[in-house]
Amino acid sequence: AQSVTQLDSQVPVFEEAPVELRCNYSSSVSVYLFWYVQYPNQGLQLLLKYLSGSTLVKGINGFEAEFNKSQTSFHLRKPSVHISDTAEYFCAVSGRSGGSYIPTFGRGTSLIVHP
Amino acid sequence: GAGVSQSPSNKVTEKGKDVELRCDPISGHTALYWYRQSLGQGLEFLIYFQGNSAPDKSGLPSDRFSAERTGGSVSTLTIQRTQQEDSAVYLCASSKILGSSGSPDTQYFGPGTRLTVL
Repeated sequence: AQSVTQLDSQVPVFEEAPVELRCNYSSSVSVYLFWYVQYPNQGLQLLLKYLSGSTLVKGINGFEAEFNKSQTSFHLRKPSVHISDTAEYFCAVSGRSGGSYIPTFGRGTSLIVHP
Repeated sequence: GAGVSQSPSNKVTEKGKDVELRCDPISGHTALYWYRQSLGQGLEFLIYFQGNSAPDKSGLPSDRFSAERTGGSVSTLTIQRTQQEDSAVYLCASSKILGSSGSPDTQYFGPGTRLTVL
């Protein structure tokens, strides 16, 4: 079985401040990792993904995430947030081989950027 | 290009009625998923179709829920005898499969169907 834990349900931050949204996973097999974003009144869209190669992954809108196998984490970071980054962020994991190919999603973290 | 589309966008029904929700995936995507999103609850997996394989129905909450995918394309999620706890946003997503791994690449989500059961 695989699972995803997003430790923070809500993260308030001021504009231009840095932010980190935490994601930890558990799986008995190696995994693929994804971050999706859902802007207010919009559908989910991919922010970034880790499939293989460099453990530091860059995505859209200045976000990046680092895959840490030893800590089973895939935290999302941005050095300076904008008001427009206010959204719900979901971490997801799927099995690389064996395990469950059905992506498991975390419960989401609501990023609230204040002016 | 065209993304994943879902219809209707909103559905209000009375308790006990049946509803059908439709999903048109991206052409060429062999994998199709249905999820349910309730406020503050994240995404709850319902059912997964991959090519010609038997669907994975392990996430369906009760036998009132069923889904089919015709011709490897359009999918319909049916909820029979709806209950108030079925009220949620129902999301459909499609994806390609990564090489021979069987694991999905990026999922492309539709806008969802908001179901309200009175």
